[in-house]
Amino acid sequence: DTEVTQTPKHLVMGMTNKKSLKCEQHMGHRAMYWYKQKAKKPPELMFVYSYEKLSINESVPSRFSPECPNSSLLNLHLHALQPEDSALYLCASSQDRVAGAFYEQYFGPGTRLTVT
Amino acid sequence: ILNVEQSPQSLHVQEGDSTNFTCSFPSSNFYALHWYRWETAKSPEALFVMTLNGDEKKKGRISATLNTKEGYSYLYIKGSQPEDSATYLCAFGHGGGTSYGKLTFGQGTILTVHP
Repeated sequence: DTEVTQTPKHLVMGMTNKKSLKCEQHMGHRAMYWYKQKAKKPPELMFVYSYEKLSINESVPSRFSPECPNSSLLNLHLHALQPEDSALYLCASSQDRVAGAFYEQYFGPGTRLTVT
Repeated sequence: ILNVEQSPQSLHVQEGDSTNFTCSFPSSNFYALHWYRWETAKSPEALFVMTLNGDEKKKGRISATLNTKEGYSYLYIKGSQPEDSATYLCAFGHGGGTSYGKLTFGQGTILTVHP
């Protein structure tokens, strides 16, 4: 099974809401990633988890809070977002963090987030 | 800030045409170059990962070359089919120190193959 699943597919939230995005993989990968993609722009890395520990935070605002409860699951908790945070949020995984540079990353289909 | 540039931004071809596009990246501190295909409403899917200067990789009608000394990679599609319509993304794979695992993507080339 080489699938990365993400839920929900679509999410609309107000600026005062708290919501979470979920990502799951069952490939035994030990590195997991969150990317943000705005329209007509390339995906931008937000966070990298390696062996369930946060390894890279690309200076993401604290209103985005990642969590890796176990090696298969990655969450992104959202609170007090702004309309400019509306984007496609992609999750990816790789065998480990070093492999993520030198081997392919496996991507989920993304969650389309709209902040109103 | 590391710049990864792709050209052209979009391309329309007829079924059966062969086509190619370019990815440019900094030649210093090179570790790996990834190509992904991203069809609408689907997940980005890896095509190739190349690490060595002069690498050539092939998957069916799609092939890619890598020149790390001058900082570019070409992706070729032979005999384009409508199902090849997608956005093709290249990404610079970072290595070393705290950057392992980081991919910096280009803007992508949107390919449309007309029947």
